Amino acid sequence: SQQGEEDPQALSIQEGENATMNCSYKTSINNLQWYRQNSGRGLVHLILIRSNEREKHSGRLRVTLDTSKKSSSLLITASRAADTASYFCATEEEYGNKLVFGAGTILRVKS
Amino acid sequence: DAGVIQSPRHEVTEMGQEVTLRCKPISGHNSLFWYRQTMMRGLELLIYFNNNVPIDDSGMPEDRFSAKMPNASFSTLKIQPSEPRDSAVYFCASSLVGGGIDEQFFGPGTRLTVL
Repeated sequence: SQQGEEDPQALSIQEGENATMNCSYKTSINNLQWYRQNSGRGLVHLILIRSNEREKHSGRLRVTLDTSKKSSSLLITASRAADTASYFCATEEEYGNKLVFGAGTILRVKS
Repeated sequence: DAGVIQSPRHEVTEMGQEVTLRCKPISGHNSLFWYRQTMMRGLELLIYFNNNVPIDDSGMPEDRFSAKMPNASFSTLKIQPSEPRDSAVYFCASSLVGGGIDEQFFGPGTRLTVL
């Protein structure tokens, strides 16, 4: 079963714009992770945020976590055509010791 | 390090045949995960191993699926007999798990087509 649900399902923006993707989940978690998948490839880890953290940055990526609302957002600033990919959130449930992935957001950055 | 290695990259077989997918995790990682990805169901965890021992196989769809990890550097996922609905991309991932699940490293996947 899927724990995380991403929103929107698809997003199309112009190069240079910011892209925001959201993830909601249902149970208590230890951490939440974001992954990117380019077409025909495996998933690549982007960033991890722990349940006691509220915000984290990595390069052009900014992730927030609101455990009271059970939601997270991934912001990609100054997007590039190379950011075109599917983005997945994954949660490690508090008592699960495994990752559960959402359905993903398809991001298209037009040059 | 070469990353997680999967073979074959593509497999086309006929219904009823046995299929074996192979995975070599990253050296030093102690956990290995098998996932299946389809358009309809997204990315599903099938089974995961910790220190070569199967920990959770609740995602394995049915008895036709089996997975083994005979040593720390090799795992197989077998489907016998295969059915058209097994067509999917199968990913193997590995991780170094301490107190929890951190970053997982994914292989390139095996695209399975069952005719």
